[in-house]
Amino acid sequence: NAGVTQTPKFQVLKTGQSMTLQCAQDMNHEYMSWYRQDPGMGLRLIHYSVGAGITDQGEVPNGYNVSRSTTEDFPLRLLSAAPSQTSVYFCASSPETGRVGQYFGPGTRLTVT
Amino acid sequence: AQSVTQPDIHITVSEGASLELRCNYSYGATPYLFWYVQSPGQGLQLLLKYFSGDTLVQGIKGFEAEFKRSQSSFNLRKPSVHWSDAAEYFCAVAVGYGNKLVFGAGTILRVKS
Repeated sequence: NAGVTQTPKFQVLKTGQSMTLQCAQDMNHEYMSWYRQDPGMGLRLIHYSVGAGITDQGEVPNGYNVSRSTTEDFPLRLLSAAPSQTSVYFCASSPETGRVGQYFGPGTRLTVT
Repeated sequence: AQSVTQPDIHITVSEGASLELRCNYSYGATPYLFWYVQSPGQGLQLLLKYFSGDTLVQGIKGFEAEFKRSQSSFNLRKPSVHWSDAAEYFCAVAVGYGNKLVFGAGTILRVKS
């Protein structure tokens, strides 16, 4: 199993550009999430999904969109990039039971200039 | 609201010395608690987890943690630190539907030889 994969690993955007961060998992997990990591703030939840076709907002959803058309994929869209969205983005997945924790991807480092 | 506090931003220990990283949580229900480790430029790796039963849990790499309900704490310990343990450590609690994680701000561990 590849686990949770994310592409790209690095990305530089100009203010106002849009892009999609890709996330895929091959563990047949129902739950998937997107977090952003900023220095001194830990990881904060952006959006999450409890199954195909079902998504909801997390703590910091503004400026981001998600959709979940399949169990495997959970892309994160930046609609109009802003410097405040410079961060490291992690995708995670987990089975329905909360007892195993979440499995994290390797992250995408995004810089918005 | 749920929250996780890691009071120490940085900790420096000598190689071979013991280690304790503090974590306090605020959550109304029985918590599912986790410790993750992140090496520089890497993703998050699960060290250990607690959801019920024995309050002293063992993890990978020789780490253990003790859940104390009366103190709302879940401190991470290791009897003898190795230089390879230098990393950032995150405590997290799973909340609500979707196994969403609320993270502490992290503790950066430095190991001096």
